[in-house]
Amino acid sequence: KAGVTQTPRYLIKTRGQQVTLSCSPISGHRSVSWYQQTPGQGLQFLFEYFSETQRNKGNFPGRFSGRQFSNSRSEMNVSTLELGDSALYLCASSVGTTGETQYFGPGTRLLVL
Amino acid sequence: AQSVTQLDSQVPVFEEAPVELRCNYSSSVSVYLFWYVQYPNQGLQLLLKYLSGSTLVESINGFEAEFNKSQTSFHLRKPSVHISDTAEYFCAVSTRDDKIIFGKGTRLHILP
Repeated sequence: KAGVTQTPRYLIKTRGQQVTLSCSPISGHRSVSWYQQTPGQGLQFLFEYFSETQRNKGNFPGRFSGRQFSNSRSEMNVSTLELGDSALYLCASSVGTTGETQYFGPGTRLLVL
Repeated sequence: AQSVTQLDSQVPVFEEAPVELRCNYSSSVSVYLFWYVQYPNQGLQLLLKYLSGSTLVESINGFEAEFNKSQTSFHLRKPSVHISDTAEYFCAVSTRDDKIIFGKGTRLHILP
């Protein structure tokens, strides 16, 4: 099976712009979770989608949003970018049941100037 | 809500020496526990997990972790480390009805 893929792998934006990141889960996986990873804060949970519905949400401002399509692919959008949004954004997919292993993609590295 | 603490942000250890990476959690209900590893410039990979049953779980590359309910710990150990074990290790906890929470990670530095 192909692994979790994320596009793009690298992105440079300027403050105030918006960005959309994409994640394609492993075939058959219905849950997609998004994380922000920074050196100072570590790995922080953004949100989880399961069968096109947001199932869990972390403590991030409303500028961060996401959605999931019927084929389980997911997108994450960040509007009005701030310098502090520079991070590695990781996507993880799983079957969707509690305790199941999450499979991570390689991440999208976002740099906001 | 549950939480997880990794007390050591960095752990240096000589090659072929044993290592222990500490993880403590807090939760008022039964938990599932995980260790993930992140090699440089890669995403996270599952190393091992505890869901139920035997409290000692092992990975295919020589790591093991023991679930200790009384001490609310899930420390990761390896009797002899190799240079290829250089990575960042994340402990994580989830419950039946809640999302998975990751610790801040421990960087393992293998010294020659």
